[in-house]
Amino acid sequence: AQTVTQSQPEMSVQEAETVTLSCTYDTSENNYYLFWYKQPPSRQMILVIRQEAYKQQNATENRFSVNFQKAAKSFSLKISDSQLGDTAMYFCAFMKGETSGSRLTFGEGTQLTVNP
Amino acid sequence: DVKVTQSSRYLVKRTGEKVFLECVQDMDHENMFWYRQDPGLGLRLIYFSYDVKMKEKGDIPEGYSVSREKKERFSLILESASTNQTSMYLCASIVGGARREPQHFGDGTRLSIL
Repeated sequence: AQTVTQSQPEMSVQEAETVTLSCTYDTSENNYYLFWYKQPPSRQMILVIRQEAYKQQNATENRFSVNFQKAAKSFSLKISDSQLGDTAMYFCAFMKGETSGSRLTFGEGTQLTVNP
Repeated sequence: DVKVTQSSRYLVKRTGEKVFLECVQDMDHENMFWYRQDPGLGLRLIYFSYDVKMKEKGDIPEGYSVSREKKERFSLILESASTNQTSMYLCASIVGGARREPQHFGDGTRLSIL
């Protein structure tokens, strides 16, 4: 079974600064996908960024980037130039690559607050 | 754009009641999921379905059942609601086979069992 761990229940950052959210996972799979989802107070789960395990290059989406360390089973999210709208709960998630069903395994979540 | 609609945003029920949570998606997705979200625990998978009339248990199926009579609709049923089922429930869907695609989520139902 897969497990995903987010060791930071809460974090805060000043507007315009950079923050990094941590995520580690445990799996015996070699082919898988990793995701970061954002859940603002509106409760809508929004995909922030995804990473395929077979790709060595770290994914980036505008101000969001990941540091994917496959050997260490680490998948951290860096948010640059933080904005007030980035305030949300952030979830790290794992998906196996080979099985059908596409089920996700989530971490516990990190509540990020961006302060003005 | 994919739309996943959950029938209620807030719901209050009493202990022992049979509770139905409904989820509808409009993109002809094969796979649908029900998660439960609790503080400090993240999202945990209750049940999922690959196709009509098919269902698979997730990590915490006890006390729940599901129904998928039509492709677009996936219902979560609390057979006899208990206070420990007070939680946020999230439905999601994804097209079959596209494992690199993200799941699309509904807005969640906050359920309180009194």
